[in-house]
Amino acid sequence: EAGVAQSPRYKIIEKRQSVAFWCNPISGHATLYWYQQILGQGPKLLIQFQNNGVVDDSQLPKDRFSAERLKGVDSTLKIQPAKLEDSAVYLCASSLEGFWRGGTDTQYFGPGTRLTVL
Amino acid sequence: GNSVTQMEGPVTLSEEAFLTINCTYTATGYPSLFWYVQYPGEGLQLLLKATKADDKGSNKGFEATYRKETTSFHLEKGSVQVSDSAVYFCALSEDGTSYGKLTFGQGTILTVHP
Repeated sequence: EAGVAQSPRYKIIEKRQSVAFWCNPISGHATLYWYQQILGQGPKLLIQFQNNGVVDDSQLPKDRFSAERLKGVDSTLKIQPAKLEDSAVYLCASSLEGFWRGGTDTQYFGPGTRLTVL
Repeated sequence: GNSVTQMEGPVTLSEEAFLTINCTYTATGYPSLFWYVQYPGEGLQLLLKATKADDKGSNKGFEATYRKETTSFHLEKGSVQVSDSAVYFCALSEDGTSYGKLTFGQGTILTVHP
């Protein structure tokens, strides 16, 4: 079974530029998560989708971050414009039915995209 | 709100030593508890989990018991190997309105020397 795929793996941009990250979850997984992991910290949830609807985006800086999940499968996370403090690893995760099983479902993580903003 | 606190790191051990990484949590409901591991250059992987009080999760020689009375989920292994060198994250997911969102601790770096 293929895991969660993410691209690119690394990205270096100047501040005020825009950047987009792509995620393909495990086939059949209804719930998709984007986390931000700043160096030395644990991941923090940015946004959660159930199929193609947003369940939780309370921690997403909506003035610069946006995300969508087309047709309930792939997802794209965009930052525009980027700030220095956005330098982090962006992790995508999916679970089979996390929305419905609440806290008991296992999330599967992709390898992440390491973003450096100069 | 929910929070997870892990022991201060990093942790350095010799091969075959006993490992304990402490984890305590704060939650308003009935969380499930998880340990994730991140090997160098790889993504986060689930190591073990426990979904209710007094449950013990185990995998690859690692164990952790969900202690509601002390709000803890300490990770233990009787004899570590060099291949266990990684970053370990304790996390919780609360039932109800959180829809499975994970709250992570800050991570503990483990280095095992031969």
